[in-house]
Amino acid sequence: DGGITQSPKYLFRKEGQNVTLSCEQNLNHDAMYWYRQDPGQGLRLIYYSQIVNDFQKGDIAEGYSVSREKKESFPLTVTSAQKNPTAFYLCASRLKSSYEQYFGPGTRLTVT
Amino acid sequence: AQSVSQHNHHVILSEAASLELGCNYSYGGTVNLFWYVQYPGQHLQLLLKYFSGDPLVKGIKGFEAEFIKSKFSFNLRKPSVQWSDTAEYFCAVPGGYNKLIFGAGTRLAVHP
Repeated sequence: DGGITQSPKYLFRKEGQNVTLSCEQNLNHDAMYWYRQDPGQGLRLIYYSQIVNDFQKGDIAEGYSVSREKKESFPLTVTSAQKNPTAFYLCASRLKSSYEQYFGPGTRLTVT
Repeated sequence: AQSVSQHNHHVILSEAASLELGCNYSYGGTVNLFWYVQYPGQHLQLLLKYFSGDPLVKGIKGFEAEFIKSKFSFNLRKPSVQWSDTAEYFCAVPGGYNKLIFGAGTRLAVHP
């Protein structure tokens, strides 16, 4: 089955700790994205990557970091500098030739 | 800058009622428009999309949307909703650098 997997589904962390969210896709898509979803705010773009070893900041990149060492993988690190890290995080990917994005199931992060 | 506005944040309907969810966009380039749906506990998935041609677009599960260029609108419709349509619906347009910009979302609750 082709698709995007995100793990874990739920993640709990103490304030001050960095945490890394996994995103893997086997769709052979070129571009990958990380969004944050908060109630009433839709999806806001954190980071995106159009090719391996390259990524750009989205609209709310502060306090986050990413890497793209392999085409299939785009992990997101939520650092202790992120002021409001508790949220639902969605990973997406798309083919270079299309705007249509495919989404993973998401990771719900709770920081206390 | 591109933007998307969804007017209804919460909609409550009874089964068999008709549905129309508003979406207005501001976008200066070639118009590509999307509606995504997020059913409870499931992935965000594409409901329908408009790239060109017939402005009335048919999607999955009996949904349709009409692109009205003069009104910068892409409203989502369904003639008769079912309980299983309970979900959150997002309108999206391309932003710069092959991103998608999402509206704030509309939560639809359908009562049996």
